[in-house]
Amino acid sequence: DQQVKQNSPSLSVQEGRISILNCDYTNSMFDYFLWYKKYPAEGPTFLISISSIKDKNEDGRFTVFLNKSAKHLSLHIVPSQPGDSAVYFCAASTTGGGADGLTFGKGTHLIIQP
Amino acid sequence: ETGVTQTPRHLVMGMTNKKSLKCEQHLGHNAMYWYKQSAKKPLELMFVYSLEERVENNSVPSRFSPECPNSSHLFLHLHTLQPEDSALYLCASSQDLRGAREKLFFGSGTQLSVL
Repeated sequence: DQQVKQNSPSLSVQEGRISILNCDYTNSMFDYFLWYKKYPAEGPTFLISISSIKDKNEDGRFTVFLNKSAKHLSLHIVPSQPGDSAVYFCAASTTGGGADGLTFGKGTHLIIQP
Repeated sequence: ETGVTQTPRHLVMGMTNKKSLKCEQHLGHNAMYWYKQSAKKPLELMFVYSLEERVENNSVPSRFSPECPNSSHLFLHLHTLQPEDSALYLCASSQDLRGAREKLFFGSGTQLSVL
């Protein structure tokens, strides 16, 4: 059973508008969440993260929101740019889960239309 | 070179072949990982090494055999694979095991096709 779920395989957004990517998790022990971005023929790269003691973290055009009661997090990209077209992976970890690394979702393919 | 480098980028092999994937990290990290990404599936952790010792093996079939000769190099030896093993194999590193929960650095991956 998937512990980290990204229910939208793809998302199309017009350039300049807001992109919202969603992620749900089932394991209440997760306390650290990350978003990775992946271009074709490249490995995933770290984008932004959030600890469970916070409900928001912002870095430039990227903001991650965490709703612990709903076990839901979202990544907002504003304004969306063509270079944002990529696959975005949500990932989560637990405090004692160092050796397990991260638990990833299946990814959402974001397409920014001009 | 910087970051995490994987070779080859693409590999096609028959089910009776033996091949190896190579990963090298230039970040001075102490932990290295093999992940598998199959179509429409999440990234799956296969192996974890910390200071050249294996600390995690997520029930991976024995036809996959990892090797970590030092903290900068990681290999994945492949033999008698099945077509369902076709996938993107990603190597990653982190400062240490604790760093894995915060940030991994990935290579570009090896796209493997088993015929």
